[in-house]
Amino acid sequence: KQEVTQIPAALSVPEGENLVLNCSFTDSAIYNLQWFRQDPGKGLTSLLLIQSSQREQTSGRLNASLDKSSGRSTLYIAASQPGDSATYLCAPRRTNAGKSTFGDGTTLTVKP
Amino acid sequence: DGGITQSPKYLFRKEGQNVTLSCEQNLNHDAMYWYRQDPGQGLRLIYYSQIVNDFQKGDIAEGYSVSREKKESFPLTVTSAQKNPTAFYLCASAPEGYNEQFFGPGTRLTVL
Repeated sequence: KQEVTQIPAALSVPEGENLVLNCSFTDSAIYNLQWFRQDPGKGLTSLLLIQSSQREQTSGRLNASLDKSSGRSTLYIAASQPGDSATYLCAPRRTNAGKSTFGDGTTLTVKP
Repeated sequence: DGGITQSPKYLFRKEGQNVTLSCEQNLNHDAMYWYRQDPGQGLRLIYYSQIVNDFQKGDIAEGYSVSREKKESFPLTVTSAQKNPTAFYLCASAPEGYNEQFFGPGTRLTVL
């Protein structure tokens, strides 16, 4: 059974800092991995999707990397802004028609 | 506007009642999913459907039921057999190839 761990559970940084969020998973035989953002009381917004054959994906100030062999993915946020404050969740998927397993998330607070 | 809609946004249920949560998508996606989220936790899969008239149990299906009579609709019924139904319920869909998942805004269910 896939287990997903996100460290740290919470993070507070001043505006402008670069930061890294970590996602570890126990079963490295994944099809892809998706990073999401969730604002309080809202649904999830997709940020980045990395296929198993890829090493990284970039979108604006966000960069996600994937190391399947070690069961790790990281989400790098450059020049953080108060608007980045949210909970970030990662979700590796087992097969192309399989289930995704979600971590508990990292709650980020960016202070002005 | 293309997207996923969930209704109602808030739902209150008395103990012993069944309630149905609505999920509709106009993205022409094949796969649809129902997740449950408890405070401070990640998402757990209740049911998912890859095609019309077919669905599979997820990790926590007990006390829930679904139907998939139309491609765009995937309603979830929370039955009286679900002993702890108070939670935030999220619906998602994914296109052919089951790559990126897209989420609705969620329904918060409270048992009185």
